Amino acid sequence: SAVISQKPSRDICQRGTSLTIQCQVDSQVTMMFWYRQQPGQSLTLIATANQGSEATYESGFVIDKFPISRPNLTFSTLTVSNMSPEDSSIYLCSVEDPRERLDTQYFGPGTRLTVL
Amino acid sequence: GENVEQHPSTLSVQEGDSAVIKCTYSDSASNYFPWYKQELGKRPQLIIDIRSNVGEKKDQRIAVTLNKTAKHFSLHITETQPEDSAVYFCAASSRAAGNKLTFGGGTRVLVKP
Repeated sequence: SAVISQKPSRDICQRGTSLTIQCQVDSQVTMMFWYRQQPGQSLTLIATANQGSEATYESGFVIDKFPISRPNLTFSTLTVSNMSPEDSSIYLCSVEDPRERLDTQYFGPGTRLTVL
Repeated sequence: GENVEQHPSTLSVQEGDSAVIKCTYSDSASNYFPWYKQELGKRPQLIIDIRSNVGEKKDQRIAVTLNKTAKHFSLHITETQPEDSAVYFCAASSRAAGNKLTFGGGTRVLVKP
């Protein structure tokens, strides 16, 4: 399966600031997704990152708060804007590898964000 | 949209015993049901999946069953070992909804030696 990396692996940020998280894949993939995992909780989909167009956001998530870019088939960024302590979570990207069945998703290692 | 319920939230078993985790889903269009294992501080790892054209799938000590009529699917782990201790998540997706995964709440499994 595709090798997925994320940067940074963790960060501690002050409220009101923004953080951009990068997701890099070692091969071209069709679909890329961004998830949030709050402490001790399950995973919630934030948005689908579409190559060359705006991301598709899930209910409860908006572009102004979580702008997403996907400039090509191997890279995407998620920005967490104007952060508050409630944004403290693990943020994970996932990909569908076209070399495998299209609905199979693999996750990156995650970015652990703490907002003070 | 899809809603996935997972039970139990915690499960403690003796080493060598079996563990069963159950999930129900709401969207009849869902056709893909993966299971992920997440160890502390690690990423979710796909351990097994099943598609709606199959009723059961097995891979060594783990198996998954699917009942489309009742909209539920289950994970079975036999001969549990301490390294099976982790949080397990079920999920569901459909092509119609863009293959977006909706996750259950997770089950924390503890295998006692």
